[in-house]
Amino acid sequence: EAEVAQSPRYKITEKSQAVAFWCDPISGHATLYWYRQILGQGPELLVQFQDESVVDDSQLPKDRFSAERLKGVDSTLKIQPAELGDSAMYLCASILGQEGNTEAFFGQGTRLTVV
Amino acid sequence: GDSVTQMEGPVTLSEEACLTINCTYTATGYPSLFWYVQYPGEGLQLLLKATKADDKGSNKGFEATYRKETTSFHLEKGSVQVSDSAVYFCALSDRNQGGKLIFGQGTELSVKP
Repeated sequence: EAEVAQSPRYKITEKSQAVAFWCDPISGHATLYWYRQILGQGPELLVQFQDESVVDDSQLPKDRFSAERLKGVDSTLKIQPAELGDSAMYLCASILGQEGNTEAFFGQGTRLTVV
Repeated sequence: GDSVTQMEGPVTLSEEACLTINCTYTATGYPSLFWYVQYPGEGLQLLLKATKADDKGSNKGFEATYRKETTSFHLEKGSVQVSDSAVYFCALSDRNQGGKLIFGQGTELSVKP
């Protein structure tokens, strides 16, 4: 069964260090999202890609976060430097097209703890 | 901007009890509405959806009706099971905003035997 792959599942990093997360969406899915889910809250969009292009990064803290999807397939989200407040679950999701009425498929997420 | 508000949890029920989780939304356009479920240690999974007013989504005994007049999409189930214990998220997606999902804060459901 096709699924969205994310790695690592868990990451512990020290404050001010760099950290990176990887996502491989379902094959053929043009749209890829990165969400951040703080404990006890719903996911919030960080960045949306359509193929290799950024469609929406209005909520991405660009002074420390960066995201890329160079070949329009897999994607990397980076934080440098990490801060204590970045501790959260980072979720990747993908959809087949561009419409908002289709099912988004989520990976299992990367749980980041900044110490 | 668009937003989703869910009833706060946690909700604790006995097996076979009735469930209602309230969800209301604010949107400028005509969004699609979703319920996602997150089981412990897993990612989010789509439970059901409705794409226009008066549509009813249903899956695994859960139902929700898209009510435009009350801007609501309440989740209901007539008889819950222990296996339904999870966190439930109401969400909307507006194609005029690139199709991104806007989530409520989630409602944790715990079903006791």
